[in-house]
Amino acid sequence: RKEVEQDPGPFNVPEGATVAFNCTYSNSASQSFFWYRQDCRKEPKLLMSVYSSGNEDGRFTAQLNRASQYISLLIRDSKLSDSATYLCVVNPYNNNDMRFGAGTRLTVKP
Amino acid sequence: GAVVSQHPSRVICKSGTSVKIECRSLDFQATTMFWYRQFPKQSLMLMATSNEGSKATYEQGVEKDKFLINHASLTLSTLTVTSAHPEDSSFYICSARRLGPGNTEAFFGQGTRLTVV
Repeated sequence: RKEVEQDPGPFNVPEGATVAFNCTYSNSASQSFFWYRQDCRKEPKLLMSVYSSGNEDGRFTAQLNRASQYISLLIRDSKLSDSATYLCVVNPYNNNDMRFGAGTRLTVKP
Repeated sequence: GAVVSQHPSRVICKSGTSVKIECRSLDFQATTMFWYRQFPKQSLMLMATSNEGSKATYEQGVEKDKFLINHASLTLSTLTVTSAHPEDSSFYICSARRLGPGNTEAFFGQGTRLTVV
């Protein structure tokens, strides 16, 4: 089983749609969780950290379910500029290391 | 904010030659840096963990004699792809994480696109 698993998509949605991504992780002792965004041929950039209580940043909401070992990302009112690959990232060993999911490709269409 | 700088951003080399990629943390010290490789339409795969002042730790399946890592200072790690072959063509990215309380962000270099011809 992979350490971090994501549905690779692609997700093709119209502008204004709401879209949700899920990600599961295998190590129950994992400490930190993140969603990163990667545009084509660019380095990943932090979108948001994921906290146990869930957190929201504008149109983006992230949630963590430790019991089921998954995290989610909800994007409301999708914009064309949201088109990118979204990477689920887990820090499994409470050190510097981070493990990436395969990424979910999102395309928002007019 | 913290910045990680990677150089070069793009390199084309002949098969059999070696290529060195540098990764620098510009405003924080990084005792540990990470090197990833990304093939087209695939996710980042951790190749190795670079440890300042000691040997790098390689992931399973990554040849340590082919991918030489040196972390001589707290702000610089280098990855040398030795005797490069076309199958080594890929996007290489380094990262460093600034330690601190809470969920601290990992910062990535801009990446190096290596093409071996």
